[in-house]
Amino acid sequence: AQKITQTQPGMFVQEKEAVTLDCTYDTSDPSYGLFWYKQPSSGEMIFLIYQGSYDQQNATEGRYSLNFQKARKSANLVISASQLGDSAMYFCAMSRGETGGGNKLTFGTGTQLKVEL
Amino acid sequence: GAVVSQHPSWVICKSGTSVKIECRSLDFQATTMFWYRQFPKQSLMLMATSNEGSKATYEQGVEKDKFLINHASLTLSTLTVTSAHPEDSSFYICSARLPGHNQPQHFGDGTRLSIL
Repeated sequence: AQKITQTQPGMFVQEKEAVTLDCTYDTSDPSYGLFWYKQPSSGEMIFLIYQGSYDQQNATEGRYSLNFQKARKSANLVISASQLGDSAMYFCAMSRGETGGGNKLTFGTGTQLKVEL
Repeated sequence: GAVVSQHPSWVICKSGTSVKIECRSLDFQATTMFWYRQFPKQSLMLMATSNEGSKATYEQGVEKDKFLINHASLTLSTLTVTSAHPEDSSFYICSARLPGHNQPQHFGDGTRLSIL
């Protein structure tokens, strides 16, 4: 079985600062995908970034980067230059198989991020 | 732009009513879609996997007769909450994956269901 753990229920960060949201995972699958999604208060789930288990380099997408440490089974999200609009719930998720494919996602409990002036 | 469309966004109805929620993939074919349920301040819990042309696969503890899923075409899956009761009130959200390598699942905007 797969398990995702997000140990930070809530985080505060000052505008323009960087913030790291923690995510650890547990799986016996040799191939898997790791995802981060953002959920604003309006409810929609916004895909941010993806990391495949065999990817050699950490994924980056604009201000988002994924600090993937396979041996530690961690996939932390780093948001640089935080903006007020980054305030939201952030979910880490995992799929079986690297592509994510038609495979279902297992979600963590989420981290509520609040960006302050 | 949105790749998955979900309708309606809000539903308020009386207890005992059946409610249908639609999930559409926009401009791509999705042989598999997923239905999730989310209670306030909690994570997404997978309810079922919707398979085009075949029966849905339900997660343990999800009543298939209560939550009917139909995936009759490659762009549309529907979730029907039958004889809804107040405890069925929740946020329901669907997802589908774009075809191609390393494509993530994209989500609809969700449906807030309130049963009075």
